[in-house]
Amino acid sequence: GAVVSQHPSRVICKSGTSVKIECRSLDFQATTMFWYRQFPKQSLMLMATSNEGSKATYEQGVEKDKFLINHASLTLSTLTVTSAHPEDSSFYICSLPGEIDADTQYFGPGTRLTVL
Amino acid sequence: RKEVEQDPGPFNVPEGATVAFNCTYSNSASQSFFWYRQDCRKEPKLLMSVYSSGNEDGRFTAQLNRASQYISLLIRDSKLSDSATYLCAVIRKGSQGNLIFGKGTKLSVKP
Repeated sequence: GAVVSQHPSRVICKSGTSVKIECRSLDFQATTMFWYRQFPKQSLMLMATSNEGSKATYEQGVEKDKFLINHASLTLSTLTVTSAHPEDSSFYICSLPGEIDADTQYFGPGTRLTVL
Repeated sequence: RKEVEQDPGPFNVPEGATVAFNCTYSNSASQSFFWYRQDCRKEPKLLMSVYSSGNEDGRFTAQLNRASQYISLLIRDSKLSDSATYLCAVIRKGSQGNLIFGKGTKLSVKP
């Protein structure tokens, strides 16, 4: 069965609105979750690392005030795209490292965001 | 220069063909290596980890050459269902454990 759920799977919104994406660990507790973004015909790029109980660490070029991450519990991390614009349209995927083997990553099914 | 580079393809091959994908990584601190498969509009799925000794899983063989910083994937007797994008990925030593992906190589297997 699925180890990671992600919700919503698809969202279409108007420019200027905020969108919240949830990533849930279903099988084990996760102190760390990763958020990736994939533009069409591009590779998955790490946006930020979500850390339970502390601030997320963001990759260079990713605005922390625009992409708000909250890892409030050991099974849930949320990514909020604030004041979304068409250039934020992308495929957002979360992953978490395995409980026993951290090199094994479990991916959520992804969220396709389209900003009109 | 991207940290992980792949030939983007596409590779269009007939069923039954053998196809090889190559990947190079630039950071010598990379310590773990993987091939993932990604279907259109889906999350990546782990195909196999790659070890220096080379490893095989059915029709799939992966090789790692640390000296050349090069990873390969060989698919034998390709099937229609092998059509997908194949992503090379590494984890850097001392990092947070996140994957660094190549852009992917698209494979289309035709009847």
